[in-house]
Amino acid sequence: QVQLVQSGAEVKKPGASVKVSCKASGYTFTDHSLHWVRQAPGQSLEWMGCINTANGNTKYSQKFQGRVTITTDTSASAGYMELSSLESEDTAVYYCAKGHFQYSSSSIDNWGQGTLVTVSS
Amino acid sequence: SYELTQALSVSVALGQTATIACGGNSIGARNVHWYQQKPGQAPVLVIYRDNKRPSGIPERFSGSNSGNTATLTISGAQGGDEADYYCQVWDTSSAHVIFGGGTKLTVL
Repeated sequence: QVQLVQSGAEVKKPGASVKVSCKASGYTFTDHSLHWVRQAPGQSLEWMGCINTANGNTKYSQKFQGRVTITTDTSASAGYMELSSLESEDTAVYYCAKGHFQYSSSSIDNWGQGTLVTVSS
Repeated sequence: SYELTQALSVSVALGQTATIACGGNSIGARNVHWYQQKPGQAPVLVIYRDNKRPSGIPERFSGSNSGNTATLTISGAQGGDEADYYCQVWDTSSAHVIFGGGTKLTVL
């Protein structure tokens, strides 16, 4: 069955960077896009960006442009999301999620368990 | 940028039909996906492309989309259906995934 297993919780200081990993299994990694979505405490889901896992092309939310980098290691069926210049407002649960197809407009049909990132001085 | 509007909360009596709306300009022209999220858990896809159910999702869940409103309908609502529900579309002009603000469903 499809599984997306994310790295563990992180605590970071303001101004630092965080890199979250997402290990995929149970499907052909390069046949589906990989999205990153975050959820601040008590808030809605917020899309950060996605990557075409076949060719590495990325799309980023304008809100995070310049601060977020999404990459993959296809040999390891893994995806990564790095967010820089962290602020307290970046405290959230970060999810990786699998696109139903490779194209970005398809639904998101499987989600990782989430990684809590806490930004605090 | 494109926006999706959802009511903050909806209540339904046990066994009755719950209707959760998602408003957006000409949303009927877009594919709408719906996610269920229970407290402390990751979201789960319950409807894709307006009215398709992924395998494992009960037939009680259905969707429709027309004009400026997409709707998720839960027939015979059960206590286990209590959750936050989010609608989602792809905005071609901005090349962004857009989520609605979410609706909290309470089963009385």
